[in-house]
Amino acid sequence: RKEVEQDPGPFNVPEGATVAFNCTYSNSASQSFFWYRQDCRKEPKLLMSVYSSGNEDGRFTAQLNRASQYISLLIRDSKLSDSATYLCAAIRNTGFQKLVFGTGTRLLVSP
Amino acid sequence: EAGVTQFPSHSVIEKGQTVTLRCDPISGHDNLYWYRRVMGKEIKFLLHFVKESKQDESGMPNNRFLAERTGGTYSTLKVQPAELEDSGVYFCASTRGGNEQFFGPGTRLTVL
Repeated sequence: RKEVEQDPGPFNVPEGATVAFNCTYSNSASQSFFWYRQDCRKEPKLLMSVYSSGNEDGRFTAQLNRASQYISLLIRDSKLSDSATYLCAAIRNTGFQKLVFGTGTRLLVSP
Repeated sequence: EAGVTQFPSHSVIEKGQTVTLRCDPISGHDNLYWYRRVMGKEIKFLLHFVKESKQDESGMPNNRFLAERTGGTYSTLKVQPAELEDSGVYFCASTRGGNEQFFGPGTRLTVL
């Protein structure tokens, strides 16, 4: 079983829709979580950090559920420019700061 | 502030050859990481430098891979000799000391 798992999608949504992705993690020692956005053939770009219960930034909301070991990302009022792959990553705060990534969830927003 | 830079952006080599990838972290970032994405798979950790010291190299695939960070500034990752399965995108990331890592554009390596 992978340490961080995501539904690869693609999620096809119309402009203006609300879409949510989930990411599950298997290692209960994971403490910090991140959502990265990756455009085709580009580098991952940090979208949001999730350290406690959640975080909100404009149209984007991330939530952490430690009991069920998952992180979610909610995108409201989807824009065409939101089309990308969304990567979930976790860090175990035991002195080793390596990111453990999921395979990513692809989002396609159509007009 | 300049971001993480990597060179070259693409490299095509034949099996058995040597390739050296370079990463320049964000100025002042002591922590430097190498990751790799093989086609169809998730991005995987290779190793972590704190300044010039290797903090964690648990992700290095085998002894054909050698990473250095002399002087604690830029880092190089050498693959010698390259094998077909080494093909992928090699990303470098850096951070000053927190958990938020900033990635470079990657080097796309193709081994024929």
